[in-house]
Amino acid sequence: EVQLVESGGGLVQPGRSLKLSCLASGFTFSNYGMNWIRQAPGKGLEWVASISSSSSYIYYADTVKGRFTISRDNAKNTLYLQMTSLRSEDTALYYCARRAYPGITPFDYWGQGVMVTVSS
Amino acid sequence: DIVMTQSPSSLAVSAGETVTINCKSSQSLFGSVRQKNYLAWYQQKPGQSPKLLIYLASTRESGVPDRFIGSGSGTDFTLTISSVQAEDLANYYCQQYYDTPDTFGAGTKLELK
Repeated sequence: EVQLVESGGGLVQPGRSLKLSCLASGFTFSNYGMNWIRQAPGKGLEWVASISSSSSYIYYADTVKGRFTISRDNAKNTLYLQMTSLRSEDTALYYCARRAYPGITPFDYWGQGVMVTVSS
Repeated sequence: DIVMTQSPSSLAVSAGETVTINCKSSQSLFGSVRQKNYLAWYQQKPGQSPKLLIYLASTRESGVPDRFIGSGSGTDFTLTISSVQAEDLANYYCQQYYDTPDTFGAGTKLELK
C-alpha cells in the first residue's frame, strides 16, 4: 500500500525557517517524481515545488522561489521541503504528492498533509 | 501560467440527480505527440486529502465508480456525476499538468439540497 506521511509542521514566526519531511513507503520511491502542494485554510490547491526521481529537475512556484528548497533522499525514501523567510501567506496545509509515473502525469497519491502556521 | 477557471463554485443537489462541473483552461491542454488532453479531476472530502478521479480528461482512475465521467478537449472540460450519492458530497478540482507550473481550478463544492 502506497503511503506518504508528512511531518515537521507547526507554528513559526514570520521570517523564520521550517523543514518538512515526507516519508514514503509501499512503492519504489526512487522511480517517481515528487511534489509539494499546499492548501491555505478554506482555500484551493496550490502546487509549490516538484523534484524528479533523480533530483535532476527541480521546479518552484513563483510565490516560493528563492525561499523554499525541495530535496529528496532516495536511500531514506524521504522528500523534504526547506522553507525559509516564511510569511503569513505561507500558512497552509502542506501535502506531499507523487506523480503517477515518469512523464506528463497527474498526482496519484497524496499524504494526509502537515499544517504550517506562520504567525507572531 | 495556465489559468484554470471552474464553474460553478458551488452546487446544491439532491441524491439521484446528475450534476455537471465545468473547467476551462486559458490555453489548450492537448498534447500533439500523444494526442491526449493533460487534464485531471480530484475529489476532496472534508478533512481528507485530494483523491485522483480522472486523468487524461476522461480516463477513470482505478476503483473510481463509473458514475464519474470526464469529457472535453482543448480548453473546455466537464466532470459529470450521474445519480449523485451522499458519499459524493465534496469539493472537486480540475488540474492541468500540460505545463509547469501545474495549476488547479478554484474548486466546486457539491452540497446537499
